[in-house]
Amino acid sequence: GQSLEQPSEVTAVEGAIVQINCTYQTSGFYGLSWYQQHDGGAPTFLSYNGLDGLEETGRFSSFLSRSDSYGYLLLQELQMKDSASYFCAVRDPSEGNQGGKLIFGQGTELSVKP
Amino acid sequence: DTEVTQTPKHLVMGMTNKKSLKCEQHMGHRAMYWYKQKAKKPPELMFVYSYEKLSINESVPSRFSPECPNSSLLNLHLHALQPEDSALYLCASSWRGGTSQTQYFGPGTRLLVL
Repeated sequence: GQSLEQPSEVTAVEGAIVQINCTYQTSGFYGLSWYQQHDGGAPTFLSYNGLDGLEETGRFSSFLSRSDSYGYLLLQELQMKDSASYFCAVRDPSEGNQGGKLIFGQGTELSVKP
Repeated sequence: DTEVTQTPKHLVMGMTNKKSLKCEQHMGHRAMYWYKQKAKKPPELMFVYSYEKLSINESVPSRFSPECPNSSLLNLHLHALQPEDSALYLCASSWRGGTSQTQYFGPGTRLLVL
């Protein structure tokens, strides 16, 4: 089966840097995605890593190491508005090209304090 | 236009009612999805349509009936629901499902079954 593990909660202060880790076990791998969801809102795509290394988009970066089955989301210069749940996700390899079934981690709730 | 719209935003229904949720996107995406999400949990995939054909049904009870009238529209027909079906129902779309992990989510319909 496929599984992803990420911490359930992380707390940090405004202006700090926080890293949310995700380890995965899948029978096939097509890359790791990250989604942000504010309370009461919809998930929003943040980033995708198909290859090893760091992808940077503004204050957010995402890293992947396929040999370690591990990735992380790095949030810099934290702001109060970054308080949200963050999900890592992989594509279910058993579906082939039938549809883009995503398997989500359980989510990490980030609280940013003043 | 990078928006997925959903109506209604909120819905309260009794266990004998029939109602429908609607979803629309105009990004030219050919894969559309229904997810169910409970509080503090990740989205759970229910159905995937690829090129207007149902490609994945995650063993969803028949009281949920999806429909894809055309490439821009997705409906979810609800009948004889149970209180445990109360949740946030999210619609999403992407480029051809099997090749994309970037899904665009609508704001969701918050459903309460009494």
